[in-house]
Amino acid sequence: NAGVTQTPKFQVLKTGQSMTLQCAQDMNHEYMSWYRQDPGMGLRLIHYSVGAGITDQGEVPNGYNVSRSTTEDFPLRLLSAAPSQTSVYFCASSYSYRGPYNEQFFGPGTRLTVL
Amino acid sequence: AQSVTQLGSHVSVSEGALVLLRCNYSSSVPPYLFWYVQYPNQGLQLLLKYTSAATLVKGINGFEAEFKKSETSFHLTKPSAHMSDAAEYFCAVIFIIQGAQKLVFGQGTRLTINP
Repeated sequence: NAGVTQTPKFQVLKTGQSMTLQCAQDMNHEYMSWYRQDPGMGLRLIHYSVGAGITDQGEVPNGYNVSRSTTEDFPLRLLSAAPSQTSVYFCASSYSYRGPYNEQFFGPGTRLTVL
Repeated sequence: AQSVTQLGSHVSVSEGALVLLRCNYSSSVPPYLFWYVQYPNQGLQLLLKYTSAATLVKGINGFEAEFKKSETSFHLTKPSAHMSDAAEYFCAVIFIIQGAQKLVFGQGTRLTINP
């Protein structure tokens, strides 16, 4: 199993540009999520999905969109990039969000810089 | 509001010394608690997980954590630090918010090992 994969690893954008961060998992996990990591703030939840076709907002959703058309993929879209979105983005997945098999597996991250 | 607090953003110990990383959480007893480790430029890796089966949880790489309900704590320890333990460590707790499980992270503690 490849686990959770993310592309690209690095990205530089100009203010106002849009882009999609890709995330895929091959573990048939029900739950997928996106976090951003900023110094001194831990990881903050952006959006999450409990299954194909079902998404919901996390703690910091503004400026981001998600969709989940398949179990495997959970892309994160930046609609109009802003310097405040400079961060490291992690995608994670878990087998379940309701029971004991809920430990999350993380991808390697995407380091995004918005100029 | 549910929160997770890690005391000390930086901890420095000598090689061979005891490692103690502190984590406290708010609210009533949460169902699940985790410790994750992040090595430089990598994603998060699960160290250990508490699921109420036992208050002392053993994880990978010689780490363990003890759940103390009366102190609302879940501190991480390792008897003898190794240079390879240098990393950032995150405590995370699943809270039940509006009927759904939500994973909340602490701010992280960067562990430095001195030779």
